[in-house]
Amino acid sequence: EVQVVESGGGLVHPGGTLRLSCAGSGFTISKSAMSWVRQAPGKGLEWVSTISDSDSSTYYAKSVEGRFTISRDDSRTTLYLQMNGLRVEDTAIYYCAKVDGGSSWNWFESWGQGTLVTVSS
Amino acid sequence: DIQMTQSPSSLSASVGDSVTITCRASQGISNYLAWYRQKPGKVPEVLIFAASTLQSGVPSRFSGSGSGTDFTLTITSLQPEDVATYYCQKYDGAPLTFGGGTKVEIK
Repeated sequence: EVQVVESGGGLVHPGGTLRLSCAGSGFTISKSAMSWVRQAPGKGLEWVSTISDSDSSTYYAKSVEGRFTISRDDSRTTLYLQMNGLRVEDTAIYYCAKVDGGSSWNWFESWGQGTLVTVSS
Repeated sequence: DIQMTQSPSSLSASVGDSVTITCRASQGISNYLAWYRQKPGKVPEVLIFAASTLQSGVPSRFSGSGSGTDFTLTITSLQPEDVATYYCQKYDGAPLTFGGGTKVEIK
């Protein structure tokens, strides 16, 4: 069974940094396209970033480009989201999502339970 | 960037009713469209991909149609467990945009 589990959320001051982790099981994270999606309190879903399966190309939403970095440690089957220069508007639940196989651009077949990031002074 | 517009933003229907949610893309996206359901306090789950293909395990009362710019999600015979917010999402390339969501309630 495919499972992803996020960790690393917490309370951080504006301008601060945080690194989220996502552990995968039941599949090979190094061979999968993976994404981060966030949901601000009471709001809808917002795609944040994707790392491709083939060559680990990375893609970002304009709202986070230049501040967030997606990466993975293939030996540890872990996905990361390094978040720098955090803003109040980055407050959200951050979900790790596995992209359905066969392409970097497919639907999200499996989601983690999410980790809450709160940016506040 | 392509925008995804869902309507209505909310609806209330009776158990057994048929409900339809629409999703419009600002440019053509072929059939690169998925629908997700997010029950209150829960994680989103995919219902339909490729505009009309039902994900394994999803009840057959859910169906999707459309191509290009206009898409629909239909729930025939609405059930109490269908109370949720439904999102469409395009996945033809970055950015992967979601619609604003449709909240479905039971009357």
